[in-house]
Amino acid sequence: QSLLTQPPSVSAAPGQKVTISCSGSSSNIGNNYVSWYQQLPGTAPKLLIYENNKRPSGIPDRFSGSKSGTSATLGFTGLQTGDEADYYCGTWDSSLSGYVFGSGTKVTVL
Amino acid sequence: QVQLQESGPGLVKPSETLSLTCTVSGYSISSGYQWGWIRQPPGKGLEWIGNIHHSGSTFYNPSLKSRVTISADTSKNQFSLKLSSVTAADTAVYYCARYGHFFDYWGQGTLVTVSS
Repeated sequence: QSLLTQPPSVSAAPGQKVTISCSGSSSNIGNNYVSWYQQLPGTAPKLLIYENNKRPSGIPDRFSGSKSGTSATLGFTGLQTGDEADYYCGTWDSSLSGYVFGSGTKVTVL
Repeated sequence: QVQLQESGPGLVKPSETLSLTCTVSGYSISSGYQWGWIRQPPGKGLEWIGNIHHSGSTFYNPSLKSRVTISADTSKNQFSLKLSSVTAADTAVYYCARYGHFFDYWGQGTLVTVSS
């Protein structure tokens, strides 16, 4: 069982906005940066957001990240069929002295 | 452009040691960052295995620590994973990636099946 809790699935119609939550604790999200990864079917994960809300080069600005206390949120607007993927949050856990990933959220475009 | 590529046997027998190598191009692993291994069992989520710092220090997932060794060969710009006493539960796609408080460059992954 992951230390970071995400909803198993989220679905929305094309063009809509999606938000994915990631809930942790003071030993992980509360005191460390959060990153988000997109994993398209059959491919390796790809960095989407780092340091809570920064986008790597090439990631469109319709993807955004935020953090408040021991929770983080990934949001993206203008949902497209190409966004159908699994999304994972991740951060360092100071108690474990290790990196932890969220349980993952499958995004489905209706 | 930083690129990582995993290599190693795709089939390992139970109780044996899984060995994988990650070859890095476009960046010298001795110059900075940590270099990590992550795995994903079929149909399941991501699990961090461990990292090696460019200085040689290692960090392991406590749940795997007793069975894991990560090492680096800077002359070949490679780092490696050894996981001992494997069982069917270790069947997964294994990824290597660069870590700088987040994993920014990933290999394509390699499937390792544990079966007799």
